[in-house]
Amino acid sequence: GEDVEQSLFLSVREGDSSVINCTYTDSSSTYLYWYKQEPGAGLQLLTYIFSNMDMKQDQRLTVLLNKKDKHLSLRIADTQTGDSAIYFCAEKDQAGTALIFGKGTTLSVSS
Amino acid sequence: GAVVSQHPSRVICKSGTSVKIECRSLDFQATTMFWYRQFPKQSLMLMATSNEGSKATYEQGVEKDKFLINHASLTLSTLTVTSAHPEDSSFYICSARIRQGALGQYFGPGTRLLVL
Repeated sequence: GEDVEQSLFLSVREGDSSVINCTYTDSSSTYLYWYKQEPGAGLQLLTYIFSNMDMKQDQRLTVLLNKKDKHLSLRIADTQTGDSAIYFCAEKDQAGTALIFGKGTTLSVSS
Repeated sequence: GAVVSQHPSRVICKSGTSVKIECRSLDFQATTMFWYRQFPKQSLMLMATSNEGSKATYEQGVEKDKFLINHASLTLSTLTVTSAHPEDSSFYICSARIRQGALGQYFGPGTRLLVL
């Protein structure tokens, strides 16, 4: 079945760049997503990338997709303390309906 | 953007009671709603897919008699945890889909359930 893997923790200093990595198994995924979850809150869609793209940039966020290796990354430039949260990588399931999530990467930003 | 609300945001109940959680799409009609469950420091696990006017489709391992889902209108889906037990304590999150495509799914803020 589909599976999404992420590293669990990342700690950076304020102002540095953060890179969160994700691998997925379903090569037929058309869209891949990054969600942010702040403590006790629901999920906020940060960005997404279509599978025929290699890169997408949106202000401080850069998504890189290596479809051959099924590897997705999220780079946050100039990381701020407000970026501290759990970041989930997700792909659509084979039916193309629901989302399959990774376990989430906890990003801790220290000042 | 599209807004999805959940009510209540937190609930504490005694073991053996039933709890109903509502998921509403506030400014759009959602033909499909999804219910997820999240354990502490874990990912979101899809429990069921709910289509308006029809029976929900449950994921493997989710007891449909325990987690009753009703999607009676295009803006409301409810999840009822029947005869709740402490192991049902979790964070329940719903999402609603506007349409097929990239941005079609929006998440509610979640409901924290604690069963004593």
